[in-house]
Amino acid sequence: DVKVTQSSRYLVKRTGEKVFLECVQDMDHENMFWYRQDPGLGLRLIYFSYDVKMKEKGDIPEGYSVSREKKERFSLILESASTNQTSMYLCASSSDGQGVNPQHFGDGTRLSIL
Amino acid sequence: AQKITQTQPGMFVQEKEAVTLDCTYDTSDPSYGLFWYKQPSSGEMIFLIYQGSYDQQNATEGRYSLNFQKARKSANLVISASQLGDSAMYFCAMDNQGGKLIFGQGTELSVKP
Repeated sequence: DVKVTQSSRYLVKRTGEKVFLECVQDMDHENMFWYRQDPGLGLRLIYFSYDVKMKEKGDIPEGYSVSREKKERFSLILESASTNQTSMYLCASSSDGQGVNPQHFGDGTRLSIL
Repeated sequence: AQKITQTQPGMFVQEKEAVTLDCTYDTSDPSYGLFWYKQPSSGEMIFLIYQGSYDQQNATEGRYSLNFQKARKSANLVISASQLGDSAMYFCAMDNQGGKLIFGQGTELSVKP
């Protein structure tokens, strides 16, 4: 089974801090994604990556950056955390292979910015 | 612009009955895929079922089936014989840009004993 592991289930940080959310997948997937989930809004794509050292902006990249130095790891960085970044963050990965390639998700990180 | 709409914020169903969760989509791309995910209260997103835009038959996976009506741009999820463990948030999503997903707002399903 595909395993996507996010480093923390719950995280509390202060306004202005630099925050790192880590995600690791063990299935050699090419594609990795970061979403945030807010009530009534569903999941919104922040950044994604199709390969090592490659990144693309999603729908809501402002205030975030990402890093993909190794194929299995995709990090989300909040450069200077603000209270409106309090949310649930979900990491996902998928392959480029033939056939149906659903995204596989981690358990999520509930981030609170105080 | 691509868009997914789920108009039912919450639904109730009696245990052992069937329930339909609505999903409509909007895209001008002829090639796309539609996914349904389940999110229990614990938070993980679980892939349930997939329908491709060129698939001739409606997708089925166990108790889950997808009522795909291409002309109406709808992709409703049908859960048969509901169980208490089906209580969760359900998200419809569309993929038509190289693996990126667009999600609907979600429907919270509650199964009553």
